[in-house]
Amino acid sequence: EAGVVQSPRYKIIEKKQPVAFWCNPISGHNTLYWYRQNLGQGPELLIRYENEEAVDDSQLPKDRFSAERLKGVDSTLKIQPAELGDSAVYLCASSSSQGKGNQPQHFGDGTRLSIL
Amino acid sequence: AQSVTQPDIHITVSEGASLELRCNYSYGATPYLFWYVQSPGQGLQLLLKYFSGDTLVQGIKGFEAEFKRSQSSFNLRKPSVHWSDAAEYFCSVANAGNMLTFGGGTRLMVKP
Repeated sequence: EAGVVQSPRYKIIEKKQPVAFWCNPISGHNTLYWYRQNLGQGPELLIRYENEEAVDDSQLPKDRFSAERLKGVDSTLKIQPAELGDSAVYLCASSSSQGKGNQPQHFGDGTRLSIL
Repeated sequence: AQSVTQPDIHITVSEGASLELRCNYSYGATPYLFWYVQSPGQGLQLLLKYFSGDTLVQGIKGFEAEFKRSQSSFNLRKPSVHWSDAAEYFCSVANAGNMLTFGGGTRLMVKP
């Protein structure tokens, strides 16, 4: 079974530039999550999708961040314009809704974003 | 609101020694608890999970964790640490909607 795939692995941009991250979840997983992980900290949820619907985006800074999950499979997370404080690792995770209780989330390797 | 505290930011143990990483959580209902491990430059890998039932859960790589409701704890243990266990470990709690809250992590270093 292929895991969660993210690209790019690394991105370096200047502040005020736009940037986008892509995520392909595990096949059959209808729930997709985007997290931001600052250096030395645990991940923090930005947005959660159930299929193509964003069901929780309360932590997403909507003035500059946007996300989409067209067709309920792949997802992109965009920042425009990027600020110095956006430097972090952006992690994507997916989980299945099948089975009893909360299903574990499976994480990709992340995209490490550096803002110059 | 749910929260997770990992009191130890760094821990160093000798190879072959036993390990215990502490985790305390705050959640109003029966928690769903997880331990993840993160190697440098990698994503998070699930070690084990607790949903209900037996309070001692076994995971991958020889890890286990014990859920203690009275102490609001979910400590991770391993009887004999290997050098390859050096990594960052995250405890997390999920609410009924599977929204994960992570602790700040514990960085494990293993001395030869």
